Amino acid sequence: DAGVIQSPRHEVTEMGQEVTLRCKPISGHNSLFWYRQTMMRGLELLIYFNNNVPIDDSGMPEDRFSAKMPNASFSTLKIQPSEPRDSAVYFCASSFTENYGYTFGSGTRLTVV
Amino acid sequence: AQKVTQAQTEISVVEKEDVTLDCVYETRDTTYYLFWYKQPPSGELVFLIRRNSFDEQNEISGRYSWNFQKSTSSFNFTITASQVVDSAVYFCALGSPISNFGNEKLTFGTGTRLTIIP
Repeated sequence: DAGVIQSPRHEVTEMGQEVTLRCKPISGHNSLFWYRQTMMRGLELLIYFNNNVPIDDSGMPEDRFSAKMPNASFSTLKIQPSEPRDSAVYFCASSFTENYGYTFGSGTRLTVV
Repeated sequence: AQKVTQAQTEISVVEKEDVTLDCVYETRDTTYYLFWYKQPPSGELVFLIRRNSFDEQNEISGRYSWNFQKSTSSFNFTITASQVVDSAVYFCALGSPISNFGNEKLTFGTGTRLTIIP
C-alpha cells in the first residue's frame, strides 16, 4: 500500500496567489481529514470528510480556505488568496470507519512570501 | 472543550536510559480515545497507539509501554532502553467521537521533543 499521498511536498508562493494542495487517501478508506501544523497553534483539524461528503469544516480558518473531495480517491485544499500567515505544514490523513488510527500523509510545507 | 496537555516541551536523555513522556487530557465525553503519534525529523506523523476510554489496561509493545490512568486523566508513554532512533517529537492526542460515523476528531497536545544523546 502506498499510504496517503500528498502533493506537492513543498510549495513556495507569493502572497495573493492561489494555492492548491492535493491528497490521495488510502484505497478503501472512507474518511479523510485535513490538518494544519504551525509553531504557534500546533496541529489543528481543518475539515473532515466521510464518504466524500464534508462533515465538519468548523476548523477552516476563513473563507479563503476551501476543500473538496470529488471522489473517494482525491481531495484538494485550496487557499485563495494566500497570505503569509497561511505558511504551515498541511497534513492529509485517512482512515476506515470502525478502524483505529489515522494514516497521515507526509505533509505539504507551504511558504507564502 | 477538549484539551491535551504535554507539559514537557523538551527532554534529553542518554542512550539506553528509560524515559517517560507525560500526557494529561480533559474531556466531558464518557467515550473517548487516546493516541500517541511520533514525528521524526523527516516530518511525517507515525501512529503508535490508540486506546479507548474503557480499556485501562497498560500496553507494552517492544520497548514502548503506555500507562492509562483514568483517575488522573493521564496517558503516559515510556520508552525503555532508549535509542538514538527514538529522537523525535511525540504527540499525544484525544479523540472525540463523531456521531454516526464511528470515527474521532483528534485534538493534539503541543508535543514533546525527545532527544536521545549517543
